[in-house]
Amino acid sequence: DAGVIQSPRHEVTEMGQEVTLRCKLISGHNSLFWYRQTMMRGLELLIYFNNNVPIDDSGMPEDRFSAKMPNASFSTLKIQPSEPRDSAVYFCASSSQAPDTGELFFGEGSRLTVL
Amino acid sequence: GENVEQHPSTLSVQEGDSAVIKCTYSDSASNYFPWYKQELGKGPQLIIDIRSNVGEKKDQRIAVTLNKTAKHFSLHITETQPEDSAVYFCAAIENNTDKLIFGTGTRLQVFP
Repeated sequence: DAGVIQSPRHEVTEMGQEVTLRCKLISGHNSLFWYRQTMMRGLELLIYFNNNVPIDDSGMPEDRFSAKMPNASFSTLKIQPSEPRDSAVYFCASSSQAPDTGELFFGEGSRLTVL
Repeated sequence: GENVEQHPSTLSVQEGDSAVIKCTYSDSASNYFPWYKQELGKGPQLIIDIRSNVGEKKDQRIAVTLNKTAKHFSLHITETQPEDSAVYFCAAIENNTDKLIFGTGTRLQVFP
């Protein structure tokens, strides 16, 4: 299996632009997690889905952020409009089990720079 | 909610020495404690985990201990090698939400 696939790996954009990050889950996994990693705040859970349904989005910073799972194998994280403080590495992770019973498989991340 | 603290933030050791990373957590109902290793430019990867019904678990050069009374758990790496150099994260489950809460990470450098 190719693992969790994220795109783009790097994105540089200007403040105010829309950013869309993409994630393809490992086949057979039914839980999907979006994390944000910064030096100041470490790894923060933004949102997670189980069987395509958002279970907890309390970590989403504000209304500028939205996430969707249009099907069982794919997810997008959208930031509109983007701001410099959104600069971070965004990770997607998938799992075949509940968070307290199984391994999270992380993608290689999307490094976002907002100028 | 769960709060996970991790120390030290950086750790440098000579090849062959042992390395210990410590974490504390706040939610006494937490029952699952994984450790992830993140290499440069990659996503975190699970290296070992422990559940609250055991006090210690070993996997070759890596071991994790758990003290539920004190609410702390530690990662021990023996006979360190340069390829152990990475950032290590501890984590704990927030019991009422099932969210995995990560510590702030420890950057381990193993010098040849």
